[in-house]
Amino acid sequence: DTGVSQDPRHKITKRGQNVTFRCDPISEHNRLYWYRQTLGQGPEFLTYFQNEAQLEKSRLLSDRFSAERPKGSFSTLEIQRTEQGDSAMYLCATEPGTGKNEQFFGPGTRLTVL
Amino acid sequence: GENVEQHPSTLSVQEGDSAVIKCTYSDSASNYFPWYKQELGKRPQLIIDIRSNVGEKKDQRIAVTLNKTAKHFSLHITETQPEDSAVYFCAASEAGTALIFGKGTTLSVSS
Repeated sequence: DTGVSQDPRHKITKRGQNVTFRCDPISEHNRLYWYRQTLGQGPEFLTYFQNEAQLEKSRLLSDRFSAERPKGSFSTLEIQRTEQGDSAMYLCATEPGTGKNEQFFGPGTRLTVL
Repeated sequence: GENVEQHPSTLSVQEGDSAVIKCTYSDSASNYFPWYKQELGKRPQLIIDIRSNVGEKKDQRIAVTLNKTAKHFSLHITETQPEDSAVYFCAASEAGTALIFGKGTTLSVSS
């Protein structure tokens, strides 16, 4: 499968624990986005990378959240000291960045904070 | 920042009928408008998109129209089929930046 992949697909954790998610982009897609989706809502932007550079963060990305994209390939999103309000689907999307603006989504990681 | 409003929130049609979903956006700098289909438990899938230099685009049974002056765009699905049942999201962005999504429309097609 050459699409965007995410790992894990599901994560259940207790409040206060740290969690890390991984996104593997489509090969040679140099833009990578993280979104969060809660039930009944559209995806909400969190942050994005052009290659290894993090270019924008939304107000939703509190200081408990951090994202990296070393070497401009896969990306990780870490949430520290999780709260129940962090429960959501975390989606990764990648874009060629060559004038083609289509964003292709991964299957997401569903986080449940107990 | 950009704000996208989407209507209706739910839409029920009979198989074979047409369905129309409408979105408005606020930021005149937005120039890229994709539509995504999301089935229950699945990832959003891009079904069609339009750029601001085009007024209409068609792909088989789906079409999108854009009115830049009024800042609204619409998705049209003709000859609906039960497999069209899903949640549809519109989005807007300045190309190469984050997508701002509407809240979604749940389309139900009954046979």
